[in-house]
Amino acid sequence: GAVVSQHPSRVICKSGTSVKIECRSLDFQATTMFWYRQFPKQSLMLMATSNEGSKATYEQGVEKDKFLINHASLTLSTLTVTSAHPEDSSFYICSARDRLSGETGELFFGEGSRLTVL
Amino acid sequence: EDKVVQSPLSLVVHEGDTVTLNCSYEVTNFRSLLWYKQEKKAPTFLFMLTSSGIEKKSGRLSSILDKKELSSILNITATQTGDSAIYLCAPTGGTSYGKLTFGQGTILTVHP
Repeated sequence: GAVVSQHPSRVICKSGTSVKIECRSLDFQATTMFWYRQFPKQSLMLMATSNEGSKATYEQGVEKDKFLINHASLTLSTLTVTSAHPEDSSFYICSARDRLSGETGELFFGEGSRLTVL
Repeated sequence: EDKVVQSPLSLVVHEGDTVTLNCSYEVTNFRSLLWYKQEKKAPTFLFMLTSSGIEKKSGRLSSILDKKELSSILNITATQTGDSAIYLCAPTGGTSYGKLTFGQGTILTVHP
Protein backbone atom coordinates (compact mmCIF):
# COMPACT_ATOMS: atom_id res chain seq x y z
CA GLY A 1 0.00 0.00 0.00
CA ALA A 2 0.88 3.65 -0.12
CA VAL A 3 3.36 5.01 2.41
CA VAL A 4 3.06 8.06 4.60
CA SER A 5 6.21 9.08 6.38
CA GLN A 6 6.02 11.10 9.55
CA HIS A 7 9.00 12.71 11.24
CA PRO A 8 10.17 12.88 13.94
CA SER A 9 8.75 9.78 15.56
CA ARG A 10 9.63 11.02 19.00
CA VAL A 11 10.49 14.48 20.28
CA ILE A 12 11.11 15.91 23.71
CA CYS A 13 11.18 19.65 24.14
CA LYS A 14 11.16 22.29 26.83
CA SER A 15 8.05 24.22 27.68
CA GLY A 16 7.72 27.35 25.56
CA THR A 17 9.56 26.05 22.53
CA SER A 18 8.05 25.19 19.16
CA VAL A 19 8.11 21.80 17.51
CA LYS A 20 7.57 20.97 13.85
CA ILE A 21 6.24 17.62 12.68
CA GLU A 22 6.40 16.61 9.04
CA CYS A 23 4.04 14.35 7.13
CA ARG A 24 5.03 13.18 3.67
CA SER A 25 3.24 11.00 1.17
CA LEU A 26 6.03 9.04 -0.44
CA ASP A 27 4.49 7.48 -3.50
CA PHE A 28 1.31 9.40 -4.10
CA GLN A 29 0.00 12.93 -4.13
CA ALA A 30 -2.39 14.14 -1.48
CA THR A 31 -4.35 17.34 -1.88
CA THR A 32 -5.70 16.76 1.60
CA MET A 33 -4.01 15.51 4.72
CA PHE A 34 -5.46 15.16 8.18
CA TRP A 35 -3.85 15.73 11.56
CA TYR A 36 -5.02 13.80 14.60
CA ARG A 37 -4.09 13.82 18.24
CA GLN A 38 -4.35 10.83 20.50
CA PHE A 39 -4.05 10.75 24.27
CA PRO A 40 -3.23 7.48 26.06
CA LYS A 41 -5.96 4.86 25.75
CA GLN A 42 -8.16 7.24 23.85
CA SER A 43 -9.25 7.45 20.25
CA LEU A 44 -7.90 9.60 17.47
CA MET A 45 -9.27 13.12 17.58
CA LEU A 46 -9.22 15.07 14.35
CA MET A 47 -7.47 18.39 14.85
CA ALA A 48 -7.47 19.85 11.38
CA THR A 49 -7.73 19.19 7.69
CA SER A 50 -4.70 20.36 5.76
CA ASN A 51 -5.40 21.56 2.23
CA GLU A 52 -2.66 21.94 -0.34
CA GLY A 53 -2.23 25.54 -1.33
CA SER A 54 -4.82 26.95 1.05
CA LYS A 55 -5.55 27.43 4.72
CA ALA A 56 -6.18 24.48 6.97
CA THR A 57 -9.62 23.81 8.37
CA TYR A 58 -9.55 23.41 12.14
CA GLU A 59 -11.96 21.43 14.28
CA GLN A 60 -13.88 23.14 17.00
CA GLY A 61 -11.76 23.77 20.07
CA VAL A 62 -8.41 23.51 18.28
CA GLU A 63 -6.40 26.73 18.39
CA LYS A 64 -5.16 27.55 14.92
CA ASP A 65 -2.52 29.93 16.24
CA LYS A 66 -1.10 27.23 18.43
CA PHE A 67 -1.16 24.41 15.92
CA LEU A 68 0.15 25.89 12.68
CA ILE A 69 -0.41 23.79 9.60
CA ASN A 70 1.30 24.30 6.29
CA HIS A 71 0.58 22.21 3.22
CA ALA A 72 3.04 23.62 0.74
CA SER A 73 3.07 20.78 -1.76
CA LEU A 74 1.06 17.74 -2.78
CA THR A 75 3.34 15.49 -0.75
CA LEU A 76 4.14 17.46 2.38
CA SER A 77 2.18 18.88 5.29
CA THR A 78 3.71 20.19 8.49
CA LEU A 79 2.24 20.72 11.92
CA THR A 80 4.02 23.17 14.20
CA VAL A 81 3.12 23.17 17.87
CA THR A 82 3.99 26.68 18.97
CA SER A 83 4.94 27.59 22.51
CA ALA A 84 4.42 24.02 23.61
CA HIS A 85 3.27 23.26 27.13
CA PRO A 86 3.13 19.96 29.03
CA GLU A 87 -0.58 19.59 28.24
CA ASP A 88 0.36 19.45 24.54
CA SER A 89 2.21 16.20 25.19
CA SER A 90 0.45 13.65 23.05
CA PHE A 91 0.70 11.33 20.09
CA TYR A 92 0.18 13.21 16.84
CA ILE A 93 -0.71 11.24 13.71
CA CYS A 94 -1.19 12.42 10.17
CA SER A 95 -3.08 10.70 7.41
CA ALA A 96 -3.38 11.23 3.70
CA ARG A 97 -5.51 10.03 0.86
CA ASP A 98 -4.34 9.59 -2.70
CA ARG A 99 -5.94 12.44 -4.63
CA LEU A 100 -6.84 9.98 -7.38
CA SER A 101 -8.90 7.72 -5.08
CA GLY A 102 -11.68 10.17 -4.33
CA GLU A 103 -13.29 11.02 -1.01
CA THR A 104 -13.91 7.44 0.07
CA GLY A 105 -10.50 6.08 -0.84
CA GLU A 106 -8.36 4.45 1.80
CA LEU A 107 -6.60 6.75 4.21
CA PHE A 108 -2.95 6.02 4.87
CA PHE A 109 -1.53 6.90 8.23
CA GLY A 110 1.89 8.02 9.27
CA GLU A 111 3.61 6.20 12.11
CA GLY A 112 2.87 9.02 14.49
CA SER A 113 4.99 11.45 16.49
CA ARG A 114 5.11 11.28 20.24
CA LEU A 115 5.62 14.72 21.71
CA THR A 116 6.71 15.14 25.29
CA VAL A 117 6.89 18.67 26.64
CA LEU A 118 8.88 19.05 29.83
CA GLU B 1 -22.49 17.27 14.75
CA ASP B 2 -21.22 13.87 13.66
CA LYS B 3 -21.40 11.13 16.29
CA VAL B 4 -19.75 7.75 16.44
CA VAL B 5 -20.23 5.36 19.34
CA GLN B 6 -18.37 2.11 19.72
CA SER B 7 -19.16 -0.66 22.14
CA PRO B 8 -17.94 -2.24 24.22
CA LEU B 9 -15.17 0.17 25.18
CA SER B 10 -13.04 -2.72 26.31
CA LEU B 11 -13.17 -6.46 26.03
CA VAL B 12 -11.04 -9.21 27.54
CA VAL B 13 -11.25 -12.70 26.09
CA HIS B 14 -9.21 -15.87 25.81
CA GLU B 15 -7.64 -17.24 22.68
CA GLY B 16 -10.15 -19.05 20.54
CA ASP B 17 -13.09 -16.93 21.58
CA THR B 18 -15.22 -15.07 19.06
CA VAL B 19 -15.85 -11.37 19.55
CA THR B 20 -18.28 -8.87 18.06
CA LEU B 21 -17.49 -5.19 18.11
CA ASN B 22 -20.17 -2.61 17.48
CA CYS B 23 -20.15 0.81 15.86
CA SER B 24 -23.11 3.14 15.53
CA TYR B 25 -22.97 6.49 13.80
CA GLU B 26 -24.79 9.67 12.93
CA VAL B 27 -23.10 11.40 10.03
CA THR B 28 -24.50 13.82 7.51
CA ASN B 29 -24.07 12.77 3.90
CA PHE B 30 -22.79 9.35 4.89
CA ARG B 31 -20.55 7.76 2.27
CA SER B 32 -18.73 4.81 3.82
CA LEU B 33 -17.58 3.30 7.09
CA LEU B 34 -14.01 2.29 7.77
CA TRP B 35 -12.58 -0.07 10.35
CA TYR B 36 -9.01 0.21 11.59
CA LYS B 37 -6.82 -1.78 13.94
CA GLN B 38 -4.33 0.14 16.04
CA GLU B 39 -1.56 -1.55 17.94
CA LYS B 40 1.34 0.53 19.13
CA LYS B 41 1.56 3.12 16.42
CA ALA B 42 -0.43 4.06 13.35
CA PRO B 43 -3.83 2.52 12.64
CA THR B 44 -3.91 -0.09 9.91
CA PHE B 45 -6.79 -0.37 7.54
CA LEU B 46 -9.14 -3.33 7.84
CA PHE B 47 -12.33 -2.71 5.89
CA MET B 48 -14.24 -0.10 4.00
CA LEU B 49 -17.99 -0.66 3.84
CA THR B 50 -20.26 1.23 1.52
CA SER B 51 -23.18 -1.11 0.88
CA SER B 52 -25.63 -2.34 3.45
CA GLY B 53 -25.87 -6.07 4.11
CA ILE B 54 -22.78 -7.14 2.22
CA GLU B 55 -20.26 -8.88 4.42
CA LYS B 56 -16.58 -8.25 3.89
CA LYS B 57 -14.14 -10.88 5.04
CA SER B 58 -10.43 -11.05 5.58
CA GLY B 59 -9.26 -14.24 7.23
CA ARG B 60 -10.80 -14.45 10.68
CA LEU B 61 -12.18 -10.94 10.49
CA SER B 62 -15.46 -9.95 8.91
CA SER B 63 -17.60 -6.86 8.94
CA ILE B 64 -21.01 -5.77 7.78
CA LEU B 65 -22.84 -2.48 7.49
CA ASP B 66 -26.49 -1.79 8.28
CA LYS B 67 -27.43 1.59 6.86
CA LYS B 68 -30.98 1.34 8.15
CA GLU B 69 -29.74 0.92 11.71
CA LEU B 70 -26.79 3.27 11.14
CA SER B 71 -24.43 0.68 12.50
CA SER B 72 -21.72 -1.79 11.69
CA ILE B 73 -20.22 -4.82 13.40
CA LEU B 74 -16.75 -6.28 13.26
CA ASN B 75 -16.44 -9.97 14.04
CA ILE B 76 -13.25 -11.77 14.94
CA THR B 77 -13.40 -15.53 15.18
CA ALA B 78 -10.88 -17.82 16.86
CA THR B 79 -9.12 -14.86 18.43
CA GLN B 80 -5.36 -14.89 18.90
CA THR B 81 -3.13 -12.83 21.19
CA GLY B 82 -2.02 -10.89 18.12
CA ASP B 83 -5.56 -9.57 17.79
CA SER B 84 -5.06 -7.53 20.94
CA ALA B 85 -5.37 -3.90 19.83
CA ILE B 86 -7.65 -0.91 19.70
CA TYR B 87 -10.29 -1.27 17.00
CA LEU B 88 -11.54 1.97 15.58
CA CYS B 89 -14.46 2.66 13.32
CA ALA B 90 -14.88 5.84 11.33
CA PRO B 91 -17.67 6.86 8.99
CA THR B 92 -16.91 9.21 6.15
CA GLY B 93 -19.19 11.99 5.12
CA GLY B 94 -19.77 15.53 6.24
CA THR B 95 -17.53 17.94 4.39
CA SER B 96 -16.43 17.40 0.85
CA TYR B 97 -12.96 16.52 2.08
CA GLY B 98 -14.13 13.15 3.36
CA LYS B 99 -12.74 13.61 6.85
CA LEU B 100 -13.01 10.77 9.33
CA THR B 101 -14.64 10.99 12.73
CA PHE B 102 -13.36 8.14 14.84
CA GLY B 103 -15.29 6.38 17.54
CA GLN B 104 -13.76 5.98 21.00
CA GLY B 105 -12.45 2.62 19.98
CA THR B 106 -12.76 -0.81 21.53
CA ILE B 107 -9.72 -2.05 23.42
CA LEU B 108 -9.53 -5.79 22.83
CA THR B 109 -7.26 -7.90 24.99
CA VAL B 110 -6.81 -11.56 24.12
CA HIS B 111 -5.19 -13.72 26.78
CA PRO B 112 -3.41 -16.98 25.94
